Amino acid sequence: DAGVIQSPRHEVTEMGQEVTLRCKPISGHDYLFWYRQTMMRGLELLIYFNNNVPIDDSGMPEDRFSAKMPNASFSTLKIQPSEPRDSAVYFCASSPGLAGGFDGELFFGEGSRLTVL
Amino acid sequence: GQQVMQIPQYQHVQEGEDFTTYCNSSTTLSNIQWYKQRPGGHPVFLIQLVKSGEVKKQKRLTFQFGEAKKNSSLHITATQTTDVGTYFCAAVSNFGNEKLTFGTGTRLTIIP
Repeated sequence: DAGVIQSPRHEVTEMGQEVTLRCKPISGHDYLFWYRQTMMRGLELLIYFNNNVPIDDSGMPEDRFSAKMPNASFSTLKIQPSEPRDSAVYFCASSPGLAGGFDGELFFGEGSRLTVL
Repeated sequence: GQQVMQIPQYQHVQEGEDFTTYCNSSTTLSNIQWYKQRPGGHPVFLIQLVKSGEVKKQKRLTFQFGEAKKNSSLHITATQTTDVGTYFCAAVSNFGNEKLTFGTGTRLTIIP
């Protein structure tokens, strides 16, 4: 299995531009998570999906952030408009089962490093 | 919301010395997971603990879950340069709450 695939690996953009991050989870995994990592705030859960349905988006910072999962093999995280404080590494992770269950291990992608100038 | 604190934030050890990181929660945990993130890399799952007082070993790594299920520790014996990275605990507070909250992490550096 190729693992969780994220693109782009690096993105540099200017303030006000739209940013779209993409994720392909591991086939057969029912859960998909978007995390953001910064030095100041560590790893923050933004949103997660179960069977393509958003379950909890309480971690999404504000309305500028949106996430979709149109099918089981693809998810996007969009920031519009982007701001310098959005600069971070964004990780997508997938899991075969319920966190806390015996198969709740998270498999992370390699991340998308976003820099907003 | 649930908070999971880790100490220390940073640890520098001589190669061959032992290393321990501690994870503490204000609430009782359903289970706890540990992840390792190499510099520039992504978190990689190490282990999951579920039972009160549980102890698990992986070669030089020993993981413990507290009796009250509010704390956990990771101990590495005789560190090697390959152990460099940040170690995170991640916890679920109540079974059925699918949100995994990550601790603040402990960054381990090894002095050769």
